[in-house]
Amino acid sequence: QVQLEQSGADVKKPGSSVKVSCMLSGDKFGSYTVTWVRQAPGQGLEWMGGILPIFGTTDYARQFQDRVTFKADKSTTTAYMELLSLTSDDTAVYFCALGLGGTFDTWGQGTLVTVSS
Amino acid sequence: DIQMTQSPSSLSASVGDRVTITCQASQDINNYLNWYQQKPGKAPKLLIYDASNLETGVPSRFSGSGSGTDFSFTINSLQPEDIATYYCQENDNLPPITFGQGTRLEIK
Repeated sequence: QVQLEQSGADVKKPGSSVKVSCMLSGDKFGSYTVTWVRQAPGQGLEWMGGILPIFGTTDYARQFQDRVTFKADKSTTTAYMELLSLTSDDTAVYFCALGLGGTFDTWGQGTLVTVSS
Repeated sequence: DIQMTQSPSSLSASVGDRVTITCQASQDINNYLNWYQQKPGKAPKLLIYDASNLETGVPSRFSGSGSGTDFSFTINSLQPEDIATYYCQENDNLPPITFGQGTRLEIK
């Protein structure tokens, strides 16, 4: 069974950075895309971008491209999302999701990142 | 970028009702439209892909239709476990990927 397991909740200070991991079990990355989506409290889903681990190619949403980095380690089938210069507006649940193209049929459980002084 | 307009933003219906949610794209996206269900505190779950294809294991009371710019999602015979927020998502001409604003479904 293909599953994505994300790292645990985190609390960060404004101006710091956060790194969230997303480990794939039950399969290899293959041709899958790992996408990152976040959801602020009580809000909708916001696409942050994605990575194609087989090539390491990335796409970033315009609003994040200056401060987000996606990486993937094929040997451990783990993807990472690092977000810099955190503000309170970055308080959200961050999801990774796996799929082909732009359709995502496997999701991680989500990681709550709280930014607070 | 493509904009997705989803309506209604919230909906209240009775068990057994037929429920329909619509999603309109700002430009032609062919049939590259997915529907997800998200229950409180949980990750989204893919229900419908490519506008009308039912994901494996999803009950047949869920269906989707449409192409081009206008799409709809229907639940036939609403069940209590269908309480959730539903999102459309376009995946034409990536990137970026755009989600609709969501429809919160409640039981009367």
